[in-house]
Amino acid sequence: GQQVQQSPSSLVLQEGENAELQCNFSSTATQLQWFYQSPGGSLVSLLSNPSGTKHTGRLTSTTVTKERRSSLHISSSQTTDSGTYLCAIDTNTGKLTFGDGTVLTVKP
Amino acid sequence: EAAVTQSPRNKVAVTGGKVTLSCNQTNNHNNMYWYRQDTGHGLRLIHYSYGAGSTEKGDIPDGYKASRPSQENFSLILELATPSQTSVYFCASGDRDSGNTLYFGEGSRLIVV
Repeated sequence: GQQVQQSPSSLVLQEGENAELQCNFSSTATQLQWFYQSPGGSLVSLLSNPSGTKHTGRLTSTTVTKERRSSLHISSSQTTDSGTYLCAIDTNTGKLTFGDGTVLTVKP
Repeated sequence: EAAVTQSPRNKVAVTGGKVTLSCNQTNNHNNMYWYRQDTGHGLRLIHYSYGAGSTEKGDIPDGYKASRPSQENFSLILELATPSQTSVYFCASGDRDSGNTLYFGEGSRLIVV
């Protein structure tokens, strides 16, 4: 089965609404990262959060290691937040395994 | 500013031809990676390297070779390109000193006809 599963696969919001993205993984993760990919663009690391809660700007990630899940909360979404959000884990191999991503569309 | 640059950015190749995708990083990272991304999917690891002279197989290495001649450069080689290798390829670098955060290049779009 797929090692990293993300949900929902797509999400449409009105500007100002909050977004909640989920990442579930089947193996113990020693590293967990959230990436943002602009439409047709490259990937940028948003947060590295193998456990606990981390904040940066309007982003909050909470990872519960024992339950093998992580979430990314985006508050007060903006149209410029539109793109694909990817979760990736490292199971102590030095390699990141990616989920298929959540495509976020924020409408004005 | 961390920098990973890929070339070419776009390439059309014929079936059976040889394709080389190049990646250069100025981050002085030990680890480098090649991923491919297909429409609607996440990234899948093809090959990676822990340093100059080293190459390791990732999750989908068949049909690909890799070369790491120096700390800065990591190439992905398709000896006999096939239409199934049409994809967007991303190179990345990272290591423990960067908190294992990966820095990605802009991607190379390859079409094999």
